[in-house]
Amino acid sequence: AQTVTQSQPEMSVQEAETVTLSCTYDTSENNYYLFWYKQPPSRQMILVIRQEAYKQQNATENRFSVNFQKAAKSFSLKISDSQLGDTAMYFCAFSGGGADGLTFGKGTHLIIQP
Amino acid sequence: DAGVTQSPTHLIKTRGQQVTLRCSPKSGHDTVSWYQQALGQGPQFIFQYYEEEERQRGNFPDRFSGHQFPNYSSELNVNALLLGDSALYLCASSFLLSSYNSPLHFGNGTRLTVT
Repeated sequence: AQTVTQSQPEMSVQEAETVTLSCTYDTSENNYYLFWYKQPPSRQMILVIRQEAYKQQNATENRFSVNFQKAAKSFSLKISDSQLGDTAMYFCAFSGGGADGLTFGKGTHLIIQP
Repeated sequence: DAGVTQSPTHLIKTRGQQVTLRCSPKSGHDTVSWYQQALGQGPQFIFQYYEEEERQRGNFPDRFSGHQFPNYSSELNVNALLLGDSALYLCASSFLLSSYNSPLHFGNGTRLTVT
């Protein structure tokens, strides 16, 4: 079974700063997918960014980028030029190759201060 | 384009009762997954439905059951409710089972409180 660990329960940064959220995972699979989801107070989980394990190039979506280190089983999320609207819970998630449910970490509560 | 809709928004039940939660997937999606999110935790996978059949199941007891209808909507049923079943129940939809090529779209959840 795979596990996902987020070691930062809460982080707080000033608006416009850059912040990095950490995520490590454990799996014996070689082909898998990794995701970062954002959950604002509205409760809806929103996909932020995704990465295929066999792609060496790190995924980027506007201000969001990842640092994927397959050998270290690490998948961190970097948010540049942070905005007040980025305040939310952020969850790292793992999906094995094929059709299966996502395994989520416990989340990091990110607070962007004005 | 309607997203994933869940009903009801909130629900309060008594221990031992049964509950049914409902979900309509995003337009164009045919796969529905259910997750349980306890307070302060990440979501946990309950099961996934595709073509009206349960395709995958997480580590949840048989008290948790589901159904998918021909229009792709889905229900989650929980029997003999326990206090520990209190949680946010999230429904997510996707296309053709894939969680990567068709990433999950989540609803706003149903907050279930068991007293």
